[in-house]
Formats: sequence, C-alpha cells, structure tokens
Amino acid sequence: DAGITQSPRHKVTETGTPVTLRCHQTENHRYMYWYRQDPGHGLRLIHYSYGVKDTDKGEVSDGYSVSRSKTEDFLLTLESATSSQTSVYFCAIRENLAGGQSEQFFGPGTRLTVL
Amino acid sequence: QQQVKQSPQSLIVQKGGISIINCAYENTAFDYFPWYQQFPGKGPALLIAIRPDVSEKKEGRFTISFNKSAKQFSLHIMDSQPGDSATYFCAASKETSGSRLTFGEGTQLTVNP
Repeated sequence: DAGITQSPRHKVTETGTPVTLRCHQTENHRYMYWYRQDPGHGLRLIHYSYGVKDTDKGEVSDGYSVSRSKTEDFLLTLESATSSQTSVYFCAIRENLAGGQSEQFFGPGTRLTVL
Repeated sequence: QQQVKQSPQSLIVQKGGISIINCAYENTAFDYFPWYQQFPGKGPALLIAIRPDVSEKKEGRFTISFNKSAKQFSLHIMDSQPGDSATYFCAASKETSGSRLTFGEGTQLTVNP
C-alpha cells in the first residue's frame, strides 16, 4: 500500500458543511495527489502537491482546496460540501524510479456522502 | 474533454480465455501509460505500465500492446482466471509535467469459472 493511509475511511455529512480529508504517507515522497472516482468517469485529478506548501490544480478543482504543511500530510478540504461532491476520494503518491521514471500508488480511499 | 477513452465498459470472459481491453488517447505529449486493477472497496493497484519506446511489455499473464502512430494501447490478460474479476483502468501522463494521470472510464471484467 506504499505506506499511504487515508482518514476518515467513510463520512456522511450534510450540504453546506465543511469537510477535510487527510492523506498520510510514511515514505517521504515529494509528490502527492488527490483524485475522485465516480461511475463512468474513472478517476479524475482534483489537486496535487510537488512539495511542502507547493500545490497545483487538477481537472476538477472547483469547490476544493488543499494544504500541505509537512511532507507526510496532504489535506483536501471541501469548504461547503455539495451533493455533487459525493464520491470516493483517493490519495496517491509518486515513487521515483531509476532513470527519471516514476510510478503512482494509491491509498485505500475515503467514501464521502453529502446529503 | 475525455483525453483517454477506454472500451469496452464491461467484459465477460470464460476461465482460460483471453481478456482484451483497449484505450485510445489524444495528447501526443503523453509518455507513460499504466494499467490499474481495482477490487471492490480497494484503491487502484498498479498492474503494468509501458513507455512509448517499446511496442509491447509482458509481465506474467498480462501484456500491454502499444501503437504510437494510432495513439492506442491495450491490455491482454491471457488464461483469464476468476480472481482477475475486477475493474481495470488505463491511464496516461506526461512525466515531466507532474505525472498527472488522466484515466479512462474503466472496464468491469468478469471471468466466469
């Protein structure tokens, strides 16, 4: 599992409430990613981070913010949750290989339901 | 805009048969093409990946075929087993651009015993 944990694993919340999901890694990887998974869409990138305090937007970033104050933690925040943000959220890390190549490994996911 | 299109959406194969899943991409800057396998309730797990300097890569029963000119790549599962029943995703990225993965829609594979 590449030393990735996500918390909480399941959450039910109400429309309009703030929600923060946490991704924690133990192997000092520089790159971390947040994806959401929805039927018929595969996984889509929300935000990613390339270092402490360095983040950038993905293809579905509206309504989400992220923070990375230390290498091991990457937080995803929904400032005011909406029903369209009901999804399964996956965190990933990039592991660097020899020759400048890399691979991404995913955490176990967080199932979020917004009522 | 879906930059990676995957087909079929679902696939049923008999045990021992060959499963074939296809993907097509649009962005010619992509230079890394992984396949992920996902079981219910789990995160996607990297299965096999290819880079465009080769046309085929094989790992055990799993083979990726890559056609750069057609902008297509496919996953072949030989001697398919019931334990291979899962959802498979193709993906693509440009490694010098943060390795942001663009995924296909997924294929639900069922291997009947």
